[in-house]
Amino acid sequence: QKEVEQNSGPLSVPEGAIASLNCTYSDRVSQSFFWYRQYSGKSPELIMSIYSNGDKEDGRFTAQLNKASQYVSLLIRDSQPSDSATYLCAVRKTSGSRLTFGEGTQLTVNP
Amino acid sequence: GAVVSQHPSRVICKSGTSVKIECRSLDFQATTMFWYRQFPKQSLMLMATSNEGSKATYEQGVEKDKFLINHASLTLSTLTVTSAHPEDSSFYICSARDTGDTEAFFGQGTRLTVV
Repeated sequence: QKEVEQNSGPLSVPEGAIASLNCTYSDRVSQSFFWYRQYSGKSPELIMSIYSNGDKEDGRFTAQLNKASQYVSLLIRDSQPSDSATYLCAVRKTSGSRLTFGEGTQLTVNP
Repeated sequence: GAVVSQHPSRVICKSGTSVKIECRSLDFQATTMFWYRQFPKQSLMLMATSNEGSKATYEQGVEKDKFLINHASLTLSTLTVTSAHPEDSSFYICSARDTGDTEAFFGQGTRLTVV
């Protein structure tokens, strides 16, 4: 079992729709969770971090964490073509430890 | 967010030569730096973790004598790919973090092509 698993994708949504990206992790002791966006040929860019159960909203982005289900998701409201990228879920077990990345989900927002 | 500068962004070198990649934290002290490699259509693969003033910790399967990492100061880490071969062609990305639970920020990445 992979430590961090994401939807295999690719995911395609029309402009203005809600894009939903999912991620599960295997280690229950994981404490910190991150979503990164990576455009083709570029390095990852941090979008959201979440540390406690529930929702965290930042503009059009909402991260949701459910530690009991070992599940973290990212919702993108009012999707724009500029949101088209690969989204990487990353998990950190304890303070100071390394990030473990999922394989990423490629999102395409169609005009 | 914090700024991490990686240089060069793109390099082409001949097989058998060495290439040095620099990673600098511009507005914070990078206690820990991470070096990743990413092949096309794949996720980031951690190569090594370095703490300032200490030897780097390499992930399993990564040759420490081939990928030399130096983290001599709190703002600079370097990765040297020695005796590069075409199979080393990849996208190399550094990431820097201040203290334990802070977020890590990525450099712009270096596209290495070995011909």
